Amino acid sequence: EDQVTQSPEALRLQEGESSSLNCSYTVSGLRGLFWYRQDPGKGPEFLFTLYSAGEEKEKERLKATLTKKESFLHITAPKPEDSATYLCAVQSFFGNEKLTFGTGTRLTIIP
Amino acid sequence: GAVVSQHPSRVICKSGTSVKIECRSLDFQATTMFWYRQFPKQSLMLMATSNEGSKATYEQGVEKDKFLINHASLTLSTLTVTSAHPEDSSFYICSARYPAGGTEAFFGQGTRLTVV
Repeated sequence: EDQVTQSPEALRLQEGESSSLNCSYTVSGLRGLFWYRQDPGKGPEFLFTLYSAGEEKEKERLKATLTKKESFLHITAPKPEDSATYLCAVQSFFGNEKLTFGTGTRLTIIP
Repeated sequence: GAVVSQHPSRVICKSGTSVKIECRSLDFQATTMFWYRQFPKQSLMLMATSNEGSKATYEQGVEKDKFLINHASLTLSTLTVTSAHPEDSSFYICSARYPAGGTEAFFGQGTRLTVV
């Protein structure tokens, strides 16, 4: 059974204070690892898909990286508007395209 | 990215009534859509996979007679919560793959269902 574990559960940072969120996973044949941002009361907003170990993707202050066991979402010089819950999910080659989600990291950036 | 629209965003209904939630792909055709449920501070849990023109595939433990899914066109899937009870109160979210058969998944805005 595919599993995704995210840490920390919650993270409070000062504006400008860089940090990383962790997503550890076990999956029977990784088809893709996904990062989403979710604001309260809204659906997840797609950020990145990573397909193979060593791959990196960037978008503004966010950079996602992937190894064979985990993914990191690096946040550089965050701003208050980066406050949200960040979700990680995996998709297996052997499932019916379903995504298995972690419980997320609730990020708060303090001005 | 691709746009998935969900309606309504919030609904309050009385116990014992049925509620229909719509999920539309606005600028692409989606042969497959997915329905999730999310409890407060918990992860998204897949309820069922909706396939255009055929029966939905339900995850283990999800009552198919309670959560009716219809995917009658390439741009619309509906989830009907039948005979709703307070324990069905939750956040329901749909998603669709874009492009079709690809790995990218785009989500609707979600529907907050409250059963009183």
